[in-house]
Formats: sequence, C-alpha cells, structure tokens
Amino acid sequence: GAGVSQSPSNKVTEKGKDVELRCDPISGHTALYWYRQSLGQGLEFLIYFQGNSAPDKSGLPSDRFSAERTGGSVSTLTIQRTQQEDSAVYLCASSLGSGTETQYFGPGTRLLVL
Amino acid sequence: GQNIDQPTEMTATEGAIVQINCTYQTSGFNGLFWYQQHAGEAPTFLSYNVLDGLEEKGRFSSFLSRSKGYSYLLLKELQMKDSASYLCAVGNSNYQLIWGAGTKLIIKP
Repeated sequence: GAGVSQSPSNKVTEKGKDVELRCDPISGHTALYWYRQSLGQGLEFLIYFQGNSAPDKSGLPSDRFSAERTGGSVSTLTIQRTQQEDSAVYLCASSLGSGTETQYFGPGTRLLVL
Repeated sequence: GQNIDQPTEMTATEGAIVQINCTYQTSGFNGLFWYQQHAGEAPTFLSYNVLDGLEEKGRFSSFLSRSKGYSYLLLKELQMKDSASYLCAVGNSNYQLIWGAGTKLIIKP
C-alpha cells in the first residue's frame, strides 16, 4: 500500500478482555516497529521486527503483551487481560531496513479500556 | 543510560523564528532524526543528520554537533500550522532509535 495502515482506528474494550491490533507496513519495508503513546507523552518503544523475527522485545511492558509478524508483512499486537493503564494510542511504523532508516508511521489505534 | 533531552513546551509568534534544542547521550551514534507530530496524528519525518553541520530544507533547518551531543531544529517564518510537537530521535550503536519526549510548540498570532 501507499502508506502504513492500522486497524482498528479506535477500540473501546472492557477491563480483562483481550484485544488484537493490526499493522500493515509499506510494501517492501522489512523493519516494523510498535510504539505506545499516552496522552501528551512521548513515544514508548514496545517491539521491533526485522522480517518475521523480533530481535528487540525489550519494551513490552508485561507478559500480557505479545506481537507477531507473518510473511514479513502484517503484524499483530495482542494485549491479554487488558487493564485501564493500557489505554493509549498504539502506533506502528515501518522502514526499509532497521535502525537508522527513516520510519514511516501509521495513523495509530486509539485504545480505551473501561 | 541513554537519554534524549528536549524542552517540554515552547511558545513563539507567527512569522518569527524558533529554535528547538535536543541534547543526547547514547551508546554510539548513527544519525539523528526530527519528526513533527500534530495533535491526534502520527509523527511525520522532517529531517535526518548524520554529519556535523546544518541541513536546510525550506523553512526548516536542522543542525548537528556530534562532539557536543547536540542538535537543534530551526523553524523560520512560523505559521499557525507549525503548532505541533517536535520529536528528536537518535540512532545508537545497536541501530536502535532512542526517542525524546517531544517539544510542544505553540504558535500565537
């Protein structure tokens, strides 16, 4: 596609439910990143994929968070047993390669946990 | 540790010039990025510096001094649409991108 797309754009869920967020990177981009951004705050790095493997999972806040990427393309971020503190905007970005290549961001998924 | 420091908020007047500073301490250096983020939107790429000096791109310029661990973003002829947060990010020796918390720029008429 022309840009990074994410779905859903908004998600409201109840505490304790599982949610799955999807990211479609720019075609041909091998690197994919997940970030979290709380209101008025900076970007919090969650996880990075190079191809289908995740060399850096250091930012995942807890074992309730997991992510996978298949076919070197689409990625899903799953949050199990959601908590109110998980409410944030979840941003996905992709780049041609890893590290210092320019990252292009999707519009984000706004998650609200009630 | 690794950290990126930027002012939290700045205010400037339409038509004026503003300089947003960024200082960094990272394990190694592989380039510095500036991104713009309007409220409620995703960040968009503005500039990339890997060598010392000034990179000019229209109304926006970005400067880097690697020896000082310092960069600035210079915005000229400010317009109301420049009201946004400006994020500084640095690539370290592991080719990870370390992000600053962002500077919220408020433009007043």
